[in-house]
Amino acid sequence: NAGVTQTPKFRILKIGQSMTLQCTQDMNHNYMYWYRQDPGMGLKLIYYSVGAGITDKGEVPNGYNVSRSTTEDFPLRLELAAPSQTSVYFCASSYFSGRETQYFGPGTRLLVL
Amino acid sequence: QQPVQSPQAVILREGEDAVINCSSSKALYSVHWYRQKHGEAPVFLMILLKGGEQKGHDKISASFNEKKQQSSLYLTASQLSYSGTYFCGTENPNNAGNMLTFGGGTRLMVKP
Repeated sequence: NAGVTQTPKFRILKIGQSMTLQCTQDMNHNYMYWYRQDPGMGLKLIYYSVGAGITDKGEVPNGYNVSRSTTEDFPLRLELAAPSQTSVYFCASSYFSGRETQYFGPGTRLLVL
Repeated sequence: QQPVQSPQAVILREGEDAVINCSSSKALYSVHWYRQKHGEAPVFLMILLKGGEQKGHDKISASFNEKKQQSSLYLTASQLSYSGTYFCGTENPNNAGNMLTFGGGTRLMVKP
């Protein structure tokens, strides 16, 4: 099992550009999450999904969009990148609820200049 | 509102003990503990569910006091490998979908 994989590992964007962060899990987990972690800070939930076709906002959803067309994939879309979106983005998954162990991907480091 | 962790940072010598606290202003259903090494993803340590239980494996254990709305993580006879940032994640009654709210983290450095 590869677990949770994320691409790219690192990206530099110019202000106003858009990009999609990819996340795939091969554990057949129902729940998937996107977090952002600013330097020296904790994790903030951006969006989450409880299954294919179902997504909901987390704590800091503004400036982002998600979709979940399959159990395995949960891409995060950044529209009109801003310097405030400079962060490390982690995707995670859990089997059946937010109360279970979350397995994290290696993260995507994003720099917006 | 995110849980408050204390201390924010701690430096230990190998073999010393440490306690990390996580306090919430809201009622708790569960508390989750994760450790993150520099430049890596967070890794799960343990979950404590409502009921005031204590859990542990190896020399790391945790307690959950439902009435005080807090949890503590105990690291005994610390090893160099314990270095990293420890995060608690709390599940509160009004968190949709059992989602977690993470604290700001406690940086732990273990020196030889």
